[in-house]
Amino acid sequence: EPEVTQTPSHQVTQMGQEVILRCVPISNHLYFYWYRQILGQKVEFLVSFYNNEISEKSEIFDDQFSVERPDGSNFTLKIRSTKLEDSAMYFCASSEGDSHGYTFGSGTRLTVV
Amino acid sequence: GQQVMQIPQYQHVQEGEDFTTYCNSSTTLSNIQWYKQRPGGHPVFLIQLVKSGEVKKQKRLTFQFGEAKKNSSLHITATQTTDVGTYFCVRTYKYIFGTGTRLKVLA
Repeated sequence: EPEVTQTPSHQVTQMGQEVILRCVPISNHLYFYWYRQILGQKVEFLVSFYNNEISEKSEIFDDQFSVERPDGSNFTLKIRSTKLEDSAMYFCASSEGDSHGYTFGSGTRLTVV
Repeated sequence: GQQVMQIPQYQHVQEGEDFTTYCNSSTTLSNIQWYKQRPGGHPVFLIQLVKSGEVKKQKRLTFQFGEAKKNSSLHITATQTTDVGTYFCVRTYKYIFGTGTRLKVLA
């Protein structure tokens, strides 16, 4: 079964540093998403991406965050000047269409120290 | 606001008992999706409901969409230990996850 792949599985970074979280969506999917989940809590939407541009973003997705599709397969989330409260599990997801089920990756656990 | 609330927040049941989680939106939904997240895992898509009053079944799971398309429910018959996890409803408009219901099943 096709999978969404996320790397790394765990990232530890110093406060103030920049991190890039990587995702390889399912190849024939057109919509890509980033969500985050602070330990055991609600799954929060960050951003959706379609046709090489952001289609929707939440209030959380401010200037500290950016997304990119640098090539035909990768989808990245960059977090600049990380803060302690950015520590969370970050999930990438993709879907065939905006009203189709999302396939989630296994997540990247980001720990900011 | 744009919250999607689920009740209960937690539910402990004995194996074999039934379980229901309810999802309520403040706004009318064009559709609703349900996901399951096992402890330590990622959300896994279960189903999408589109039509008013729609009922769909997957083995022991029954999903229902309210007539007014503002609420939905997931019912599990005769729970098993494999049902453990958090169940989320998702409003696809603005990609909002519900608050989730964490289910524990006691063997």
